[in-house]
Formats: sequence, structure tokens, C-alpha cells
Amino acid sequence: QVTLKESGPGILQPSQTLSLTCTFSGFSLSTYGMGVGWIRQPSGKGLEWLANIWWDDDKYYNPSLKNRLTISKDTSNNQAFLKITNVDTADTATYYCARFTIAAIGVMDAWGQGASVTVSS
Amino acid sequence: DVVLTQSPATLSVTPGERISLSCRASESVDTYLHWYQQKPNESPRLLIKYASQSISGIPSRFSGSGSGTDFTLSINGVELEDLSIYYCQQGNSLPYTFGAGTKLELK
Repeated sequence: QVTLKESGPGILQPSQTLSLTCTFSGFSLSTYGMGVGWIRQPSGKGLEWLANIWWDDDKYYNPSLKNRLTISKDTSNNQAFLKITNVDTADTATYYCARFTIAAIGVMDAWGQGASVTVSS
Repeated sequence: DVVLTQSPATLSVTPGERISLSCRASESVDTYLHWYQQKPNESPRLLIKYASQSISGIPSRFSGSGSGTDFTLSINGVELEDLSIYYCQQGNSLPYTFGAGTKLELK
């Protein structure tokens, strides 16, 4: 059974760096074809894909935020991470991590429960 | 970026009826079009992949069709538990993009 769970700071101030962790089970990011991505959703609004990281350490970012995003992984602890620099109120959202597989490129076949992040002074 | 336009934005439904939701892409995405269901206060769940491929554990009343730029999600016999927001998403090109969603509400 594939499960993912996000964790984050809850609240942070404008200009700070947001650090998110995705802890998963049921698959490994050291296995060929596995990937983890991040997607966010402001309250009452739609979904925005942010970034992906793959088993071979390939990384892809949404160009709209690329300069502010860094995705990474710790395969030994089954975790993936996302950092967003210089946050502002527009980054207030629920942040989800999801599993991707090379067998179904672009398909987010399992999602975490989400981590709520509020940016406020 | 590929823009996905979903219609209608809101659909009022009666349990038992057959409904169709539309997703139109600004350029061809072949069949790299996926559908997700998001119930209130829950995370999204994959419903249909590659336009028409079913997903294990998803009720058979959900089906998808289409290719290129026009896609449809159908529910054959809506149930109360289907009252959710439905999103389409394209995986043909980066950045992956989502439609704005169609909300199913009770008539």
C-alpha cells in the first residue's frame, strides 16, 4: 500500500524560506521509475503542479516558480523535500506530495493528505 | 503552458442520472489527460488515466473518453458520494496543468 504524508511549518513570515517534507511508504525513490512531485492548492482554488524528482535524481520545476524552488530526496529515509524561497502571502496554500511512475508519465496515482501553510506577518 | 478549460463550472445533479463533464485543451495532449476527484476537505484521488483507462478500486460508473483537445468524464448513475469537485490534468508536456474543476452539487 502506497502512502504519503506531508509536513511543514504551518505558518511563516513573508520573505522566509518554506521547507516541506514528504514521508512515504510502499515504494522507494531508489527504485527505477519512481518519482515524487509537489502540488499546491490555495483555499477554495485549483491545483498547481510545482516540481518532480525522479529515482535517478532528475528534477523538473514549474517555470512560473522555478527560481524559488528546490526539490530533493533522501532515499534512505523515504523522504522528499521542497523548499520555496522568499515566500509571500500568495504562497499560502495546502501543499500535497504525490507519487509519479515512469510507467504512467504525468499521472499522480497516490496523494498525501496535504500540509496547510500560511504566510502572514 | 497548456490551458485546460472545464465546463460547466458547477453542475446540479439528481441521484441516479447520467452526467458528462467536459475538459478542453488549448492544444493537443493526445490521450495524456487524467481525471481526479476531490471530496470536501480531502486530497485529490485519481479516477481515470490516459483519457479512458480505468483505475483499480474506482467504481465502474466512472468512465472517460476523448483524445486530442476534447475530453469527457461520464458518471453513469450519480450517487450522493460523488458530490465532489472533478479536475482534469494534462501530462503531455511540462509544466503539468490542471483545469479549474467542475463542482457537482445536489439539485
